[in-house]
Amino acid sequence: GENVEQHPSTLSVQEGDSAVIKCTYSDSASNYFPWYKQELGKGPQLIIDIRSNVGEKKDQRIAVTLNKTAKHFSLHITETQPEDSAVYFCAASFGGYQKVTFGTGTKLQVIP
Amino acid sequence: DVKVTQSSRYLVKRTGEKVFLECVQDMDHENMFWYRQDPGLGLRLIYFSYDVKMKEKGDIPEGYSVSREKKERFSLILESASTNQTSMYLCASTLQGGVGGYTFGSGTRLTVV
Repeated sequence: GENVEQHPSTLSVQEGDSAVIKCTYSDSASNYFPWYKQELGKGPQLIIDIRSNVGEKKDQRIAVTLNKTAKHFSLHITETQPEDSAVYFCAASFGGYQKVTFGTGTKLQVIP
Repeated sequence: DVKVTQSSRYLVKRTGEKVFLECVQDMDHENMFWYRQDPGLGLRLIYFSYDVKMKEKGDIPEGYSVSREKKERFSLILESASTNQTSMYLCASTLQGGVGGYTFGSGTRLTVV
């Protein structure tokens, strides 16, 4: 089955700096890569996703990149703010996007 | 807004008890999922369901079962709770084909003593 590795497990940045979280996946058939943000006491929430026919996608301060050859994908957050502090999960799936394999999570702390 | 509601935020149960975790979604989603979340292990899929009365095993189904008698409700059952089932349990739902990604509930923190 699919295996998703995520690094780093914790990340501290100063407010206004950029943050990058990296993931690798094992199944070359995976073609959908969502990112979720989990705030304290809440369930994860989808923040951005990318499909394998696209190399990069941006949404305001958030961007994802995908390298299919290397089976790497990354989340980039620019101009970080304290409200970006949360746990972020990458994920990968194949086909109908219904069964998703998650990474182990990155706890991001933005220091004011 | 799509809502996924989990019946309990915190539960404490004794070893050997039969435990029911309930999940209800209000947006007519076909697919529903149960994950458990443990530090350093991320989210691991226990069971999922594509339709009423349909269920499929995820990656860690041992010690669990599920029930989906109505489209909006997906129950996770711990047949005989054990201490290694102490965890955060998250329910999620999504439309057929996964359009729009998962919508998660807020989770149930289960402690088995």
